[in-house]
Parts: sequence; structure tokens; C-alpha cells
Amino acid sequence: TQLLEQSPQFLSIQEGENLTVYCNSSSVFSSLQWYRQEPGEGPVLLVTVVTGGEVKKLKRLTFQFGDARKDSSLHITAAQTGDTGLYLCAGLVTGTASKLTFGTGTRLQVTL
Amino acid sequence: NAGVMQNPRHLVRRRGQEARLRCSPMKGHSHVYWYRQLPEEGLKFMVYLQKENIIDESGMPKERFSAEFPKEGPSILRIQQVVRGDSAAYFCASSPQWAKNIQYFGAGTRLSVL
Repeated sequence: TQLLEQSPQFLSIQEGENLTVYCNSSSVFSSLQWYRQEPGEGPVLLVTVVTGGEVKKLKRLTFQFGDARKDSSLHITAAQTGDTGLYLCAGLVTGTASKLTFGTGTRLQVTL
Repeated sequence: NAGVMQNPRHLVRRRGQEARLRCSPMKGHSHVYWYRQLPEEGLKFMVYLQKENIIDESGMPKERFSAEFPKEGPSILRIQQVVRGDSAAYFCASSPQWAKNIQYFGAGTRLSVL
């Protein structure tokens, strides 16, 4: 059973377009992280959200944690080719120790 | 940039051999986690260790796999008698004591079993 479902799985857009990636679960998370992973590399931490309804901005990236702490979204404004990569959400299920549960991933390709 | 260091980056083993994967956490981090990423699958938790202690090994296969984080030196993930199904990318992450949810990952070790 996959605890964290991401959508879409694949996304191919042109530079300058906006996009939103969703991360959904039926479980409540004490915190949720977003990572980006390049081929052959490890995941790089982008942001951590911990409070229901929290919104964080990182330049052109906007992250939101759902009010019930069961879902999250990542919005990219004016995508650039450098945004290409695999985006992963990962959460700590409330009541567990410290093991992250990773989402299924969204593979984003941004072309000129 | 003293990030999480993993070595080797690539490891090739024949079936039946042993694989040893090493991980040095970020400076000041005392918590280490190992994850496995199988081809075309997501990252799956394996084990969580503090210095000299295994805290949670609920994701570790029951046989052939072991992990340690000694008082001195790197954390080691050991796979005995490797099989083809062990081929995967193995990632180590570390976190500080005060924020165990904020885990920083190494570049991974890609294990290929022939």
C-alpha cells in the first residue's frame, strides 16, 4: 500500500509555463518534505512544512501543506529548463519514529 | 561542503559475494538512515541508527542484511551473499538530533549484482 500518491506521474511542459504537483494521502503527517532528485544523484531537500495550512515560498516554488496535514502541493511559476528532475514528497507519519515515507514521484521535463 | 558522503558510488558484485556500503553523516549529525531505491520504484526506508544503536530496522530484509553505526567511523550497510534482486541504489541520509525529520541525503551507492 502506497501511503503517498503523487500526481501527475509525468509532466512535460515548455519553459515559462506554470505547473502544480500534488501529494496526497489518507494518513496524517507530522511533517512533510519535498525533494528533487537528478539522475544518478541523491534527493536534495527543497523544503519542510510542519503546520497545517502552511505555505512556504522558495523563489519560483510555492509549497503548501494541507489543513489536515494529509496532503501537499508544489507549484512552480514560469518553469525553467533547470527545473527538470524528479520531484518527491516524503512525510513522517504521525506516531512513527523517524522513517520517511516517500511518494511515488513526479518526473518533470521542461523544454525550450 | 561537508555533506553526507557515501562510498563507493558504484559497486559491482557477483552473486554470493558480500557488499559493504559506507556512509559518513554530515558534521554534527548523530542520526543515520538507509533507504533503498529499486529500479522504477520509490525510495523505501530500511533502517535508522544512532551511534552504536539500531533504533528502527523495520524496513530491513530479515536475512543477509545488517547495518551498524559504530562509535568511531562511518555507518556500514552490509549485504551478505548478494542476489540479483539486491541490485539497486542505496541511499544514506543523516539528520541532527533536534530535527529528525530533516534528512539530508548522500549521492548513493549503485549496487549491481551480476
